[in-house]
Amino acid sequence: KAGVTQTPRYLIKTRGQQVTLSCSPISGHRSVSWYQQTPGQGLQFLFEYFSETQRNKGNFPGRFSGRQFSNSRSEMNVSTLELGDSALYLCASSNRPPLAGGFGTGELFFGEGSRLTVL
Amino acid sequence: QKEVEQDPGPLSVPEGAIVSLNCTYSNSAFQYFMWYRQYSRKGPELLMYTYSSGNKEDGRFTAQVDKSSKYISLFIRDSQPSDSATYLCATISQGNLIFGKGTKLSVKP
Repeated sequence: KAGVTQTPRYLIKTRGQQVTLSCSPISGHRSVSWYQQTPGQGLQFLFEYFSETQRNKGNFPGRFSGRQFSNSRSEMNVSTLELGDSALYLCASSNRPPLAGGFGTGELFFGEGSRLTVL
Repeated sequence: QKEVEQDPGPLSVPEGAIVSLNCTYSNSAFQYFMWYRQYSRKGPELLMYTYSSGNKEDGRFTAQVDKSSKYISLFIRDSQPSDSATYLCATISQGNLIFGKGTKLSVKP
């Protein structure tokens, strides 16, 4: 069974640009969540999608957005990039629907991430 | 105060040692606790998952939750070089999965 696939794996952008990252979950998984990982802040929750609907959102500015398609694939977009957006962006999928108010029981399967460098 | 605090290490031990990794959390209402392992240049993978308090054992790994002190631990017995990774504790807060910053473990042959 294929794992969670994220593309691109590495990318370099300049300040002010925008970026779109893609995530294909494990086949049959309908819940996709996104995380930002930096050395200073660790892993931080961005948002979660289930059945094409955003079910939960972390504490990030509106420049960070996402969506989920009918085949459960998800994209996240960061507009007007800042230097501080340099990070590893991780996507995770789950076969459990979110509990009321969000998440689930923590059984996430992570991709290898997209490493974004903003110059 | 952060919801989950974890000593970042690094922690270096000889092969065969018993490793103790620890986290503290702030909210006594937290019920689910997880340990993830992250190898270099890889995404985290779920190691163990416990609900409420007590111990859970899986091979060389034991997860322990002490709700009275809001303390969670992961013990690794007979540590191996292949255990060298970053270990992240996590819990669920307001529907979000909240992670500690991770402890980097190195097991030397």
